[in-house]
Amino acid sequence: QQQVKQSPQSLIVQKGGISIINCAYENTAFDYFPWYQQFPGKGPALLIAIRPDVSEKKEGRFTISFNKSAKQFSLHIMDSQPGDSATYFCAASIRSNTGKLIFGQGTTLQVKP
Amino acid sequence: GAVVSQHPSRVICKSGTSVKIECRSLDFQATTMFWYRQFPKQSLMLMATSNEGSKATYEQGVEKDKFLINHASLTLSTLTVTSAHPEDSSFYICSARGSILLAFFGQGTRLTVV
Repeated sequence: QQQVKQSPQSLIVQKGGISIINCAYENTAFDYFPWYQQFPGKGPALLIAIRPDVSEKKEGRFTISFNKSAKQFSLHIMDSQPGDSATYFCAASIRSNTGKLIFGQGTTLQVKP
Repeated sequence: GAVVSQHPSRVICKSGTSVKIECRSLDFQATTMFWYRQFPKQSLMLMATSNEGSKATYEQGVEKDKFLINHASLTLSTLTVTSAHPEDSSFYICSARGSILLAFFGQGTRLTVV
């Protein structure tokens, strides 16, 4: 119930291509879905987040698509760049509660020049 | 985004000693702080949640006597790894959450116990 399942585990994309990472959840009480980017040896950095009353949110090259009925959400990185090579984590939480984040397993993205 | 500072970034200690890691929210008041542990190529594992001025809530399987958490003020939380052993070597990350209900992460601390 508390799990967030993330796929794929790893992803290789050519420069300029679209990177797509998917997540699925079970707990319908989740009301906040952030994506984090983590570089080796660093803490995660908030990339973009969405609430379930919105089906899509775009910030620059990053877009979250949210499908409430399917309990799925995804991150799209347009025009992927070598500098986007990092590990990406989706997460979910109940904001009115402690805000404890439940993380997906992570996706290691490599963007080839 | 808000700034969360974690210190030290790296620490090496001898087996049996204790190590303290600090987490500070620099530009906001953190009503809730979280401590995570991350093994190589794995996701973040929540260890405990703490609210300012109250005892931390530990996740199942986390030894509260080994991982002491103090959230003494709205800008500072500390994690003390007591009687550290090599298996405690890991990447520890704190996260702070304030009134805007977004969680921001520190830079992480690489602990190596020799």
